[in-house]
Parts: sequence; structure tokens; C-alpha cells
Amino acid sequence: GQNIDQPTEMTATEGAIVQINCTYQTSGFNGLFWYQQHAGEAPTFLSYNVLDGLEEKGRFSSFLSRSKGYSYLLLKELQMKDSASYLCAGMDSNYQLIWGAGTKLIIKP
Amino acid sequence: GAVVSQHPSRVICKSGTSVKIECRSLDFQATTMFWYRQFPKQSLMLMATSNEGSKATYEQGVEKDKFLINHASLTLSTLTVTSAHPEDSSFYICSARDVMGARETQYFGPGTRLLVL
Repeated sequence: GQNIDQPTEMTATEGAIVQINCTYQTSGFNGLFWYQQHAGEAPTFLSYNVLDGLEEKGRFSSFLSRSKGYSYLLLKELQMKDSASYLCAGMDSNYQLIWGAGTKLIIKP
Repeated sequence: GAVVSQHPSRVICKSGTSVKIECRSLDFQATTMFWYRQFPKQSLMLMATSNEGSKATYEQGVEKDKFLINHASLTLSTLTVTSAHPEDSSFYICSARDVMGARETQYFGPGTRLLVL
């Protein structure tokens, strides 16, 4: 079956670094996505990885290891506005996104 | 990044009425759009995949006669909730698939909050 696993909730301190892990199992693989969703709003696209390695985009970086079925989202210099749910999604061979349940990130001052 | 609009953003209706939600890709052509619903504090749930010029593909458990999807052009898909009932109250979100070369992603509309009284 297809499955995406990520932690339910994480807490971090403003200004610190946090890594949100995601493991995936999909039927075929066409990439791994990370989205940010603030409460009551639609998700917004953060990153897309289809090749192994780290992709950096400002304060956010995303890593993929296809052999391990593993990805992480790294957030640096955390700000209060980063408090949100972070959704990991794998794209299967039919180009359909398989969603994780999301990781609620709580930032404390 | 690409922009997807959704209209209306919020709708309140009486039980038994039908509600139409529009999803538009504003700066790219989307042969495929997706419709999701999300209940409070829960994950996105894919309802159906909308393909331009052909019938939508519905996920198991989603009534196609209740949730009518029309993808008449490369930039517009509509979801009509027919004979809405209070249990249909939810947050409906569309996304559009943007394919550029070897990379692709899905961009989400802002969502439509439906409240059925």
C-alpha cells in the first residue's frame, strides 16, 4: 500500500532550527513535496524533490533519499509566523499526491 | 509561483440547495485539477481528479452524482455540490497541476468554506 509517515507535532524555539522528517511508500515515485498550511487556510507549496540531495530555498531546505524512502524539511532561524502544519506528500506513478497527516509545528518565544 | 484562484471563498446556503465552486489557473494551463475537502484539524482528502475534456475520476466513497465536476477548459474546473446537506459543510480546496519540463507541482487555490444550514 501507499503510506506517508511524519510526526504529529513538534515544538521549537524562535531563532532555532527544526527538522521535520517524512518517510514514504508509494506505487512508483514522481517526487516528494512539502507544503505549509496555516490554520484555516489552503496549503502553500514549499518544495519539490525528485532527485537525491538537498535543495535550499532561503530559510527552508528539503532533502530526499530515494533509496531510503526518506525526506526532511529543515527550517532555520525560526520565526513565530512559521507556526503551521507542514504536509509531506509523495507523488505516485499516476502523478497523484499521497498525503501525510501533517506535522503541527509550534514555535515558542 | 503559479496562481490558482477559487471562487467563492465562503458560502452559506440552505439545506437542499446546490452550490458551485470555481477553480481557475491564472497563469498556466492545467490539464489536470484536483478537488480536496478538509474537515477541521484533519488531513486533506482527495475527492476527485478533474481532467480537461473528459470525465472526472472520483475517489472511493465520493458520490459522483452529488459532487459534479466539470473541467471545460484548460484553466477552469468547477465543483457543484448538489442538494447540499449540513454534513457537506467543509473546506473545499482545489489544486492545479503545473507541468514544466521535467518538474511539476500542484498549486492550491485559497479554498472555499461551505456552511450548509
